[in-house]
Amino acid sequence: DGGITQSPKYLFRKEGQNVTLSCEQNLNHDAMYWYRQDPGQGLRLIYYSQIVNDFQKGDIAEGYSVSREKKESFPLTVTSAQKNPTAFYLCASTLDGMNTEAFFGQGTRLTVV
Amino acid sequence: GESVGLHLPTLSVQEGDNSIINCAYSNSASDYFIWYKQESGKGPQFIIDIRSNMDKRQGQRVTVLLNKTVKHLSLQIAATQPGDSAVYFCAESYFGNEKLTFGTGTRLTIIP
Repeated sequence: DGGITQSPKYLFRKEGQNVTLSCEQNLNHDAMYWYRQDPGQGLRLIYYSQIVNDFQKGDIAEGYSVSREKKESFPLTVTSAQKNPTAFYLCASTLDGMNTEAFFGQGTRLTVV
Repeated sequence: GESVGLHLPTLSVQEGDNSIINCAYSNSASDYFIWYKQESGKGPQFIIDIRSNMDKRQGQRVTVLLNKTVKHLSLQIAATQPGDSAVYFCAESYFGNEKLTFGTGTRLTIIP
């Protein structure tokens, strides 16, 4: 089945540590996105990538980093510089940009302990 | 600035009744709109979309209405079922802007 896989589903991190969230898609989509969701709020864009080896900052990129070495993969690193990293992180992909349906993964819930 | 907002944060509807979820947007350049359903602890699921050259689009039990004059979007769900309980988000983008802007969401609760 085609889709987007995020792992792990739950992640705990100690303060001061970097952590990487995985996102893989087998939909052959060009564009991939990372969103952050806080309780009772909408989704805010962290980073996005429209082609391999290229990515752009979204609205809340500070404290995060990404890479896009392969079309299928778009990992997100939450660095120690992110002041409030506890949140629900969602990865999405679209065929070729945001004017078409975005498919979402099931999310990773990150908790800083 | 660019924003997408919802009129009501929560909505309770009797099972079998119709529900209407509203959404306002501020960017007159927006030309693509999507409704997503998100169940607790899961990623959003696509429900229906509409482009600005249309006023209405229907799916299975769902209808999206777009009023560009007042920059308003609505999602109608017919004959609601318990499985419709979720948070519903509207989102918008425009050609050349490779980002979806999401609203805060409306929590829909279906009362048995």
